[in-house]
Amino acid sequence: SQKIEQNSEALNIQEGKTATLTCNYTNYSPAYLQWYRQDPGRGPVFLLLIRENEKEKRKERLKVTFDTTLKQSLFHITASQPADSATYLCALDIYQAGTALIFGKGTTLSVSS
Amino acid sequence: DTAVSQTPKYLVTQMGNDKSIKCEQNLGHDTMYWYKQDSKKFLKIMFSYNNKELIINETVPNRFSPKSPDKAHLNLHINSLELGDSAVYFCASSQGGGSNTIYFGEGSWLTVV
Repeated sequence: SQKIEQNSEALNIQEGKTATLTCNYTNYSPAYLQWYRQDPGRGPVFLLLIRENEKEKRKERLKVTFDTTLKQSLFHITASQPADSATYLCALDIYQAGTALIFGKGTTLSVSS
Repeated sequence: DTAVSQTPKYLVTQMGNDKSIKCEQNLGHDTMYWYKQDSKKFLKIMFSYNNKELIINETVPNRFSPKSPDKAHLNLHINSLELGDSAVYFCASSQGGGSNTIYFGEGSWLTVV
């Protein structure tokens, strides 16, 4: 069965450092991979989408890489701030015709000042 | 204006009761979803509807019955509630399926006592 693993449940870093979150998947070759942010008591919010033919995508302080050989995506937040503290979820479209996403369990990032 | 709105936000009910959660999106999307997030924060797809047609039913007990009266609405009715149904239920929508950005509602916190 398809599996998505985010290998850290929690990540604690200091303000100003770069946070790197990992998403690994098995038994599937997705055309897209997405990252979402979820704050406590809120619904997930879309951050970035990367396609299989894209190695890297950037948006402000965020950077996502996608290695289809390793079946892995890395999510980086540079110059992290306490406001970046949240749970970050990676998601794959595993159904035919792109009908829904499945999510990893998320990594909870805490940035301390 | 809230893009994806769901009601109620909080629901406490007794085992064996029947309850409904309503969802509406004003984004003009053609695909709507119900996701369940359990106590371990794992976000799992339950149902996906495209243009009012059920696309995905992810081995959800038949006590759960989604209903889509039109493209903008997807309601979730739950019969004979069990303790294990306690979770946060998220409604979401997208245009064209899971390869596109999914917009989530704020969630409905269901507690079965």
